[in-house]
Amino acid sequence: NAGVTQTPKFRILKIGQSMTLQCTQDMNHNYMYWYRQDPGMGLKLIYYSVGAGITDKGEVPNGYNVSRSTTEDFPLRLELAAPSQTSVYFCASSYRGIEQYFGPGTRLTVT
Amino acid sequence: DQQVKQNSPSLSVQEGRISILNCDYTNSMFDYFLWYKKYPAEGPTFLISISSIKDKNEDGRFTVFLNKSAKHLSLHIVPSQPGDSAVYFCAASPPDTGNQFYFGTGTSLTVIP
Repeated sequence: NAGVTQTPKFRILKIGQSMTLQCTQDMNHNYMYWYRQDPGMGLKLIYYSVGAGITDKGEVPNGYNVSRSTTEDFPLRLELAAPSQTSVYFCASSYRGIEQYFGPGTRLTVT
Repeated sequence: DQQVKQNSPSLSVQEGRISILNCDYTNSMFDYFLWYKKYPAEGPTFLISISSIKDKNEDGRFTVFLNKSAKHLSLHIVPSQPGDSAVYFCAASPPDTGNQFYFGTGTSLTVIP
């Protein structure tokens, strides 16, 4: 049981490039989330999903897109990367939408 | 606008003593509160939760207290152990928002052996 896995662990992007952060969970959880954590700050919700085919915006969705075609996968797409998107990104899943199980994070730098 | 605040960035406690981590919130509609623990280079790990209909929840060495009138919750760890050294985040969710949680900025706990 791997839990929540995220790839890549680290990435450096140039301004204007695009990339997809991958997230997979093997716990058959309906709820999945993407957060970003900036230095000295708490986690801020980017997007979340309550089931396959359903996604919704969180607190800071601008510059990101998501899709949820399967229960297991919840990729986060960054289009036209900007320095303000330099952050650590965490994916999480939840059985009932309360306690969340987090992946190890992806550290992204945009220069 | 930070709806969930942890005003103490750090806390040091002797091993075996009580650790008390505090969290304040501004939205009286929050109905569920959680605490997470985070080690460096790892994702947060769920610790304990409490709903707004309760004022206390215990799980082993961890107890969360909720004071709705003061919009304040606290996490008590007794006895503290060196392995408890980590960053602790509180999080809160308002009802009918699809389970969106707002996180505090975290408190770094150091337990001194």
